[in-house]
Amino acid sequence: QITLKESGPTLVKTTQTLTLTCTFSGFSLSTNGVGVGWIRQPPGKALEWLALIYWDDDKRYSPSLKSRLTITKDTSTNQVVLTMTNMDPVDTATYFCGHRKYDFWAYWGQGTLVTVSS
Amino acid sequence: QSALTQPRSVSGSPGQSVTISCTGTSSDVGGYNYVSWYQQHPGKAPKLMIYDVTKRPSGVPDRFSGSKSGNTASLTISGLQAEDEADYYCCSYAGSYTFDVFGTGTKVTVL
Repeated sequence: QITLKESGPTLVKTTQTLTLTCTFSGFSLSTNGVGVGWIRQPPGKALEWLALIYWDDDKRYSPSLKSRLTITKDTSTNQVVLTMTNMDPVDTATYFCGHRKYDFWAYWGQGTLVTVSS
Repeated sequence: QSALTQPRSVSGSPGQSVTISCTGTSSDVGGYNYVSWYQQHPGKAPKLMIYDVTKRPSGVPDRFSGSKSGNTASLTISGLQAEDEADYYCCSYAGSYTFDVFGTGTKVTVL
């Protein structure tokens, strides 16, 4: 059974750096073709893809946010970490991590709401 | 990269069929057969319903089907049921640089 769970601060201040951790089980991020990534959803708005890291450490970022994002993995602890710098109130959203198989998001975490306030 | 365009809402009575469109460009929907659809109930995580335009994951009812023509993909729900009331999002691969683009989302209401 594949599960993913996001963790991190619920409240960050403007200009601070956000660090989110995705802890997963039921699969290995060493398996060919597997990736773990992040998608966010502002309250009442649509989903937005942010970043993805593959089993071979290949990394992909949303072009519009690339300068602010870093994604890393720790295969030994089954964790993927996303950092986003220079947070702004418009970054207030629920952040989901997801298991990517080939070209689709097969499994999702429950999401974690991050509020950015000055 | 702009979001894929979906109708804001669609509705239907129980037993009827509804179709949700997802319009992109030749750089995303039209360029790849990598369109997926996700169902999201309020306060919940999205759930994969369709992948690779037409394929259904195990456990998804066959009432859900996908198709694509040109730059527009579609999700059809046949035999609408009360539990189908949710938000639906399409997603398309858009190449190695842009990677993934989600749709604007559609609220399905069962009358």
